[in-house]
Amino acid sequence: KQEVTQIPAALSVPEGENLVLNCSFTDSAIYNLQWFRQDPGKGLTSLLLIQSSQREQTSGRLNASLDKSSGRSTLYIAASQPGDSATYLCALWNTGGFKTIFGAGTRLFVKA
Amino acid sequence: DGGITQSPKYLFRKEGQNVTLSCEQNLNHDAMYWYRQDPGQGLRLIYYSQIVNDFQKGDIAEGYSVSREKKESFPLTVTSAQKNPTAFYLCASSLPVQDTEAFFGQGTRLTVV
Repeated sequence: KQEVTQIPAALSVPEGENLVLNCSFTDSAIYNLQWFRQDPGKGLTSLLLIQSSQREQTSGRLNASLDKSSGRSTLYIAASQPGDSATYLCALWNTGGFKTIFGAGTRLFVKA
Repeated sequence: DGGITQSPKYLFRKEGQNVTLSCEQNLNHDAMYWYRQDPGQGLRLIYYSQIVNDFQKGDIAEGYSVSREKKESFPLTVTSAQKNPTAFYLCASSLPVQDTEAFFGQGTRLTVV
């Protein structure tokens, strides 16, 4: 059974710092991995989607990598800003099933 | 603007009542999903539908029901059989293939009073 783990559960950093959020999974048979942002009481906003054949995707200050062999994905946020404060969720789509499996998220707080 | 609309944003349910959460999308997506989110936990799949008039149970379907009469709409009913319905409910949609991006609505917070 696929399990998705996000470490740390919470993170507080000063503004301007570069940071890495981690997502690990137990079964490498995936179609894709997607990173989302969730603000308090809101829905999920898609940040980056990495197909299983890709190694990384970039959007602005965000870079996501995928290493299926080690069961890991990282979300790199450059030059963090207070507006980046939110919960970041990773989710992956297993082969052999029609559903997405989510991690519990990392709650990020960027201090001004 | 294309997107997913969930309503209402907040919903209160009395013990023993059924309530229905609305989800509408204008993205022309065939697949739609309902998730439940509890504090400190990842999203858990309740039901999903790959095409009109067809839907399947997810991991936590007990106490919930859905219908898919139109491509744009996928309402979720929380029945009185759901013993712990207080949660944040999220609706999503995507193309009906297994390597595509999912889009989410803004959620409905359901509270039992």
